[in-house]
Amino acid sequence: NAGVTQTPKFQVLKTGQSMTLQCAQDMNHNSMYWYRQDPGMGLRLIYYSASEGTTDKGEVPNGYNVSRLNKREFSLRLESAAPSQTSVYFCASRIQGMSNQPQHFGDGTRLSIL
Amino acid sequence: GENVEQHPSTLSVQEGDSAVIKCTYSDSASNYFPWYKQELGKRPQLIIDIRSNVGEKKDQRIAVTLNKTAKHFSLHITETQPEDSAVYFCAARDTGRRALTFGSGTRLQVQP
Repeated sequence: NAGVTQTPKFQVLKTGQSMTLQCAQDMNHNSMYWYRQDPGMGLRLIYYSASEGTTDKGEVPNGYNVSRLNKREFSLRLESAAPSQTSVYFCASRIQGMSNQPQHFGDGTRLSIL
Repeated sequence: GENVEQHPSTLSVQEGDSAVIKCTYSDSASNYFPWYKQELGKRPQLIIDIRSNVGEKKDQRIAVTLNKTAKHFSLHITETQPEDSAVYFCAARDTGRRALTFGSGTRLQVQP
């Protein structure tokens, strides 16, 4: 039981390049989330998926797209990377339908854009 | 949407002392308040949470209190140990997005 798995762990991109961050969970959770973490700013919600087949914008969605491929997988895409998107990206999941269950996080993807 | 403010941003205590971190939230409908601990280079990990139908919850050396009227909640760590050194984040569930909104974090350093 791996929990929430993110790939890759590290990535360096050039400005304008595109890439997709992968996230998969094996806990049969309904809801999945993407956050970014910048120094001194906590974690900010980029996009979330309350259930398979639905996605919604979070606090900072500009420059990103997401795909909820199936119940297990939720990917984050940067179409044209910018230096401002240098950050640590965390994927999380939780089971919905039960009263206030916690979110479980993956190990993160450290992304640098030059 | 929800807004969560967290204080202090840094906190240094001597081993064995208590540490208190405070958070305020804006959405009176929020009903779930977790606390996460994040060690350097690691994922945030849940250490304790509280739901709006209780005012206090304890788990060994860690306790959380919630004041719904004032819209603030606090983390209390007693008998601190060097391994408690980490960044701590409070959060509140945004009832609109059903996602967590996080505070900006408190870096706790426990001096041996």
